[in-house]
Amino acid sequence: GENVEQHPSTLSVQEGDSAVIKCTYSDSASNYFPWYKQELGKGPQLIIDIRSNVGEKKDQRIAVTLNKTAKHFSLHITETQPEDSAVYFCAASPASGGSYIPTFGRGTSLIVHP
Amino acid sequence: DAGITQSPRYKITETGRQVTLMCHQTWSHSYMFWYRQDLGHGLRLIYYSAAADITDKGEVPDGYVVSRSKTENFPLTLESATRSQTSVYFCASSERAEKLFFGSGTQLSVL
Repeated sequence: GENVEQHPSTLSVQEGDSAVIKCTYSDSASNYFPWYKQELGKGPQLIIDIRSNVGEKKDQRIAVTLNKTAKHFSLHITETQPEDSAVYFCAASPASGGSYIPTFGRGTSLIVHP
Repeated sequence: DAGITQSPRYKITETGRQVTLMCHQTWSHSYMFWYRQDLGHGLRLIYYSAAADITDKGEVPDGYVVSRSKTENFPLTLESATRSQTSVYFCASSERAEKLFFGSGTQLSVL
């Protein structure tokens, strides 16, 4: 099955700095890569996603890049703000046999210091 | 209100007791999922369902039972709770198992 590794487990930055979270996956059949943000006491919420036919996607201060050859994808947050503090999860979904069940990374706790 | 709701929000029980966590969604999504979240392990899939009356095991199914008689409901039952099942449980739904929508979670403590 799919295996998703996520690094770092904790990331501490100063407000205004950039933050990068990296994930690798093992199944070359994976073609959908979402990122979720989980604020304290809440469930994860989708913030951005990318498909295998696209190398990069941006949405305001967040962007995701994908390198299918190397089987890794990354989340980039620019001009970080205290409200960006949360746990971020990456995931990968293989599209094989009609089963698209995502596999999640273990999460990154991002702390943005004012 | 439309969305996905979990109940109860908090639950304390004793070892050996049966506990049922409820999950209800109003979107008529085909897929529903149960995850548990533990420090250092991230989100681990317990069970999922692709449609009513269709369920399948995830990564950590032992000790749990699910059913899905209606599209909108996906209850999770711990038949005989153990301390190792102390965790935060999240239900999620999705139309194609891609973009998941999560509930607010149930924090379960087994004493």
